[in-house]
Amino acid sequence: EPEVTQTPSHQVTQMGQEVILRCVPISNHLYFYWYRQILGQKVEFLVSFYNNEISEKSEIFDDQFSVERPDGSNFTLKIRSTKLEDSAMYFCASSEGPSQGNTQYFGPGTRLLVL
Amino acid sequence: AQSVTQLDSQVPVFEEAPVELRCNYSSSVSVYLFWYVQYPNQGLQLLLKYLSGSTLVKGINGFEAEFNKSQTSFHLRKPSVHISDTAEYFCAVSALNDYKLSFGAGTTVTVRA
Repeated sequence: EPEVTQTPSHQVTQMGQEVILRCVPISNHLYFYWYRQILGQKVEFLVSFYNNEISEKSEIFDDQFSVERPDGSNFTLKIRSTKLEDSAMYFCASSEGPSQGNTQYFGPGTRLLVL
Repeated sequence: AQSVTQLDSQVPVFEEAPVELRCNYSSSVSVYLFWYVQYPNQGLQLLLKYLSGSTLVKGINGFEAEFNKSQTSFHLRKPSVHISDTAEYFCAVSALNDYKLSFGAGTTVTVRA
């Protein structure tokens, strides 16, 4: 069964450093998303991406964040200058689109720790 | 905007007993509803979804949920739980014209022998 994959599973970085989180969505999906879950808090939407551009972003997704689909398979989230409060589990998701109620399938997550 | 309230943060239950996890949502427009499960140290797995049609939906691992529009609820049930059902369960909603999911805070289910 096709699944969303994410790398790395864990990332530790120093405050102020750049990190890139990588995702490989399900191959026939057209919509891609990033969510995050700070420890003990709700899963929060960050950004959605369709047709090589951002379709929606949350207030959390400020200028420090960017997304890219550099090739036909990868979808990345970059944090330019990490802050302590960026420590969280980051989930990538993908969906076919409206035909199935935009059902989203999630990857296993990347746990980011900013020191 | 949509919001989700999961009324129980923790639900302890004995093996082979039934369980119900409550979810209420708020939205001014029609919605799609989802339940996801997160097993320890794993990602979010889709359990079931309501898109349209029959209000009783069945999912994987013996779970089912009922959409109640008048009550704005989407409660999840399983008639007999196993130890392996120990996990965190998330209710989520998206508007028909908006693709982002809004999640509840989650309910931790602990199944004891």
